[in-house]
Amino acid sequence: GNSVTQMEGPVTLSEEAFLTINCTYTATGYPSLFWYVQYPGEGLQLLLKATKADDKGSNKGFEATYRKETTSFHLEKGSVQVSDSAVYFCALSGGYSGGGADGLTFGKGTHLIIQP
Amino acid sequence: DAGVTQSPTHLIKTRGQHVTLRCSPISGHKSVSWYQQVLGQGPQFIFQYYEKEERGRGNFPDRFSARQFPNYSSELNVNALLLGDSALYLCASSIQLDPRVYGYTFGSGTRLTVV
Repeated sequence: GNSVTQMEGPVTLSEEAFLTINCTYTATGYPSLFWYVQYPGEGLQLLLKATKADDKGSNKGFEATYRKETTSFHLEKGSVQVSDSAVYFCALSGGYSGGGADGLTFGKGTHLIIQP
Repeated sequence: DAGVTQSPTHLIKTRGQHVTLRCSPISGHKSVSWYQQVLGQGPQFIFQYYEKEERGRGNFPDRFSARQFPNYSSELNVNALLLGDSALYLCASSIQLDPRVYGYTFGSGTRLTVV
């Protein structure tokens, strides 16, 4: 079955530091990959996505590249801000195969804390 | 434009009771999915509906059921509540059944506490 593994948190950084949150996956076929962000007390917001190998998703200074050879989708940002403090989830979708939709498979989440 | 709306935002139920959660998708979105997020964990897939039919089911007991209405809104029902059902229940909508291109848009969730 599908699975997503994220680095354990919490991750604590100083403002303007470089961020990497590792994500690796196991899936059959050609999944799409997503990063979602969850701020305290809120639902999930789509941060970025990539639908095929070597695609780079980007949004709000965050980037992630779909690496099929290493089955990875690591999230990076060059200079983090206090407002980036949140929980980040890596997820994949195997799509719809005709046998039924399998929804999104999420990692356990990485809590990011940015200190001023 | 309104996003995905869920109601209620919070509720407290007693063990053994029944609960109904509601979701209205973004206008034009025909697919609705439900997820359970236990504190400190990632969301777990429960159901996906498209055009009023169940198209996918996660690994949840039969106490969980759902349906989608002609206007594409959806209800999630949970019978015989257990303490372990306490969680944030998230609804997500998407334009089409296969989310690989457009992804999902999530609502803010319903926080269910079972006592």
